[in-house]
Amino acid sequence: GAVVSQHPSWVICKSGTSVKIECRSLDFQATTMFWYRQFPKQSLMLMATSNEGSKATYEQGVEKDKFLINHASLTLSTLTVTSAHPEDSSFYICSAPIDEQFFGPGTRLTVL
Amino acid sequence: AQSVTQLGSHVSVSEGALVLLRCNYSSSVPPYLFWYVQYPNQGLQLLLKYTTGATLVKGINGFEAEFKKSETSFHLTKPSAHMSDAAEYFCAVRGSYNQGGKLIFGQGTELSVKP
Repeated sequence: GAVVSQHPSWVICKSGTSVKIECRSLDFQATTMFWYRQFPKQSLMLMATSNEGSKATYEQGVEKDKFLINHASLTLSTLTVTSAHPEDSSFYICSAPIDEQFFGPGTRLTVL
Repeated sequence: AQSVTQLGSHVSVSEGALVLLRCNYSSSVPPYLFWYVQYPNQGLQLLLKYTTGATLVKGINGFEAEFKKSETSFHLTKPSAHMSDAAEYFCAVRGSYNQGGKLIFGQGTELSVKP
């Protein structure tokens, strides 16, 4: 199957700093990628749809100025958590669809 | 609007026993249905999917699921549980008219397998 990678796999940062997470489709092109957030013992919640060449579409309740998404190319989307706070600590997962969605391995963000 | 309900946040079975994880969906359009498995601190791996055609779908690792439109269900089964099946399982739905579109996930079911 298709492969989606994420980098970094885990990151620890201080409150108030910004963190960038990369999502790459390694063997296919993706005009659309999805970003999910998952709290411990909970399901995945879609944050936004990343669109190559245009603005991301955010789900209701997600602050677009806090979670900046850039779909720089057909194989790369980035999520930047700006001015991170402890409540932003979570597991962030991206996916890219062909016929079905292929998920990245996730990024564990811990904000101190 | 679409939604997914997984009955039981936690299921425990003995090794070798039948695994049954329940999923009911709501969709205003013909649904595409998926089951994913997630191991700790990892992404999601597709077990199986239903799009159209045969309602009994076979997936990886011996899992299968049956789409029952009349019951709006897509329950996941495996005849004999292995210890390696212990994980979190998610059912998801996507409108078939939105190819490659976003998924709506259920709450997840944690499967424990006792020796």
